[in-house]
Amino acid sequence: DAGVIQSPRHEVTEMGQEVTLRCKPISGHDYLFWYRQTMMRGLELLIYFNNNVPIDDSGMPEDRFSAKMPNASFSTLKIQPSEPRDSAVYFCASSSWGSSTDTQYFGPGTRLTVL
Amino acid sequence: QKEVEQDPGPLSVPEGAIVSLNCTYSNSAFQYFMWYRQYSRKGPELLMYTYSSGNKEDGRFTAQVDKSSKYISLFIRDSQPSDSATYLCAMTIYNQGGKLIFGQGTELSVKP
Repeated sequence: DAGVIQSPRHEVTEMGQEVTLRCKPISGHDYLFWYRQTMMRGLELLIYFNNNVPIDDSGMPEDRFSAKMPNASFSTLKIQPSEPRDSAVYFCASSSWGSSTDTQYFGPGTRLTVL
Repeated sequence: QKEVEQDPGPLSVPEGAIVSLNCTYSNSAFQYFMWYRQYSRKGPELLMYTYSSGNKEDGRFTAQVDKSSKYISLFIRDSQPSDSATYLCAMTIYNQGGKLIFGQGTELSVKP
């Protein structure tokens, strides 16, 4: 299996622009998680889905952030408009909670820089 | 107060040393405890997973959980330069679908 796939790996954009991050979970996993990691705040859960349905979005910082999962093999995290304080590494993870292999598997991350 | 507290370090030890990494937590409902390892510019990867109080060994690594004290530890014996990474503790409640709460992470450097 290729593991969790994220794109792009690096994104540099200017303040005010729209940013879309993409994630392909491991096939067969029914949970998908979006995290943000910064030096100051560590690894924070933004939102997670179960069977393509958002379950908990309490970590989404504000309305500028939105996430979708149109099908079991694809999810997006969108920031509109982007701000310099959004600069961070964004990780996607997937799991099959409740199964014998219910750990979360992380993707390589997208390093976002907002100028 | 954060639900999970972890000393961010950094921690620097000589090769061969025993390393102790620790986390405390406040939510007594946490049932599953994990340690993730994250190399520079990579995603976290699961190192160890336990759900009961006591010790669990895997090679040079031992995970320890003390639910009465709300305290977990990871011990690394005979540390190697390849162990240099950030170690994150994580924990969850079973009925939250694997929603993990992470500690801040401890940066470890093992010097040859």
